[in-house]
Amino acid sequence: DAGVIQSPRHEVTEMGQEVTLRCKPISGHDYLFWYRQTMMRGLELLIYFNNNVPIDDSGMPEDRFSAKMPNASFSTLKIQPSEPRDSAVYFCASSAGVLSGNTIYFGEGSWLTVV
Amino acid sequence: AQSVTQPDIHITVSEGASLELRCNYSYGATPYLFWYVQSPGQGLQLLLKYFSGDTLVQGIKGFEAEFKRSQSSFNLRKPSVHWSDAAEYFCAVGAGRGDDKIIFGKGTRLHILP
Repeated sequence: DAGVIQSPRHEVTEMGQEVTLRCKPISGHDYLFWYRQTMMRGLELLIYFNNNVPIDDSGMPEDRFSAKMPNASFSTLKIQPSEPRDSAVYFCASSAGVLSGNTIYFGEGSWLTVV
Repeated sequence: AQSVTQPDIHITVSEGASLELRCNYSYGATPYLFWYVQSPGQGLQLLLKYFSGDTLVQGIKGFEAEFKRSQSSFNLRKPSVHWSDAAEYFCAVGAGRGDDKIIFGKGTRLHILP
């Protein structure tokens, strides 16, 4: 299995620009998670989906952030407009269901720098 | 709400020495507990997990953890560390109550002295 695949791995963008991060979960996993990692706040859950439906988006920081999952094999996290404080590593993860005893598997992250 | 506390931000041990990383959780029922490791520039890799049964859990890379309900703890241990164990370690708890998300602690960075 290829694991969770994220793109881009690194992105540097100017403040005010739109940023789109992409994720392909592990095939057969029906849960998809977006996490953000910063030195100050650690790993924060932004949003998670089950069967392509957003279940909990309480961690999405503000309206500038949006996430979609148009099908079982693809999700995007969009920031528009981006700000320097959005600089972080964004992880996508997938699972067949924690409550069913399954593990959450992480991608290698998208390293975002907003200047 | 469920939460995880890792009281040590940094820990330094000598190569070959034993290791214990502390984790305390707040949860009303029997939790699902996890330890993940993150090497620099990498994603998180599962070391081990506890869902039920034997409270001493064996994981990969020679790690183990013990669930102690009375102390609300799930400490990670390794009898003899290797230089390649230098990384950041995260404890996590399942949110439960029909919720499939997991909540992470702030992490403990492990440094190994040669």
